[in-house]
Amino acid sequence: GAVVSQHPSRVICKSGTSVKIECRSLDFQATTMFWYRQFPKQSLMLMATSNEGSKATYEQGVEKDKFLINHASLTLSTLTVTSAHPEDSSFYICSARQGLAGGRSSTDTQYFGPGTRLTVL
Amino acid sequence: EDKVVQSPLSLVVHEGDTVTLNCSYEVTNFRSLLWYKQEKKAPTFLFMLTSSGIEKKSGRLSSILDKKELFSILNITATQTGDSAIYLCAVRRSWGAQKLVFGQGTRLTINP
Repeated sequence: GAVVSQHPSRVICKSGTSVKIECRSLDFQATTMFWYRQFPKQSLMLMATSNEGSKATYEQGVEKDKFLINHASLTLSTLTVTSAHPEDSSFYICSARQGLAGGRSSTDTQYFGPGTRLTVL
Repeated sequence: EDKVVQSPLSLVVHEGDTVTLNCSYEVTNFRSLLWYKQEKKAPTFLFMLTSSGIEKKSGRLSSILDKKELFSILNITATQTGDSAIYLCAVRRSWGAQKLVFGQGTRLTINP
């Protein structure tokens, strides 16, 4: 159980284009999803927290107009990198936290997707 | 500001050795500490620790938390080449804060 998928796994695009990355929880409902980026040989850096049906909360220094996040359902969140530039090239990882039935607080464990490697030429 | 520091940053040992990875933290209203293993792709969950002194064990891996001294260790005994990975430690604060704060990770290499 607790499987999270991401699509696409790898994308190469030209500078100035927009790229959409999908994150899905396959066998559970995710009330909260998180988007991270990871540069080579560095740890995960949280970009934003996405709650189903509400606006995402962005970390300091992350441009919300550049990294658009939509969490339209309990199993799907999308990250759109708008007008991508070479410095946006990175490994983008989502994670999902399972919500408990009856609206009680969710668990602490986050389950990660396999990641999306974005290369902007 | 919340801070998670892992040590060492890099470790190279021979197959069969035992390793201990460290994670110290400074977090307001600590709730839980999590260990993840990251190979080529996304991290996979290993342990979640919330109480001091209770060891969690899974095969050759074990972990324990000391909430008084604000640190955790991850032990791997009889290491194998498949244990080579980056090991990440993350903490979560209680109430309201949903996000995890990650340490820099320890890059473990097991040589045959």
